Amino acid sequence: KAGVTQTPRYLIKTRGQQVTLSCSPISGHRSVSWYQQTPGQGLQFLFEYFSETQRNKGNFPGRFSGRQFSNSRSEMNVSTLELGDSALYLCASSSGQAAYGYTFGSGTRLTVV
Amino acid sequence: AQSVAQPEDQVNVAEGNPLTVKCTYSVSGNPYLFWYVQYPNRGLQFLLKYITGDNLVKGSYGFEAEFNKSQTSFHLKKPSALVSDSALYFCAVSPRGNMLTFGGGTRLMVKP
Repeated sequence: KAGVTQTPRYLIKTRGQQVTLSCSPISGHRSVSWYQQTPGQGLQFLFEYFSETQRNKGNFPGRFSGRQFSNSRSEMNVSTLELGDSALYLCASSSGQAAYGYTFGSGTRLTVV
Repeated sequence: AQSVAQPEDQVNVAEGNPLTVKCTYSVSGNPYLFWYVQYPNRGLQFLLKYITGDNLVKGSYGFEAEFNKSQTSFHLKKPSALVSDSALYFCAVSPRGNMLTFGGGTRLMVKP
């Protein structure tokens, strides 16, 4: 079955702009989590959506937001981009129970200039 | 709050030798533990997980990990390293809260 699809793979934006990233989970999975990976901070949890509801949230400012659609596809949005938002953004697909594990997409590389 | 420590930024081994990548964790209750591998410009690939049961977990590509509750460790091991194992390895804990807390990562370098 198809894996986790993240689009776009690469993105270059200017400070102050906003950006939307997309994640399509594995068919049948109802949970999508988002992570930010940077050289300085490592992998950090942003938020998790399950059946269109945000179930968990990490310690990120309100500029970072997300949503999930009825088909389980998820988007995350970052407004008023800052240079420090440059990172690899990874989404993880899950059935909704941690014991079954998480499957990650290849990520979206965001560069803010 | 949960945390994961990977005390070595880099591990160097010769091809054919056994390898160990260390991981310790701090979490209340019984955690779920995971190992992931990341190749350059790629996402995370699942290697193995510990949920419950046998403390020795076998995973993909010949990797295994031993869960030690008393030492709160979950070290990744492989009997014979390959050059193609060179990558970035992450240990993660999920305290049943449907999110992962990652360690800082360990770069494994396997030399021919």
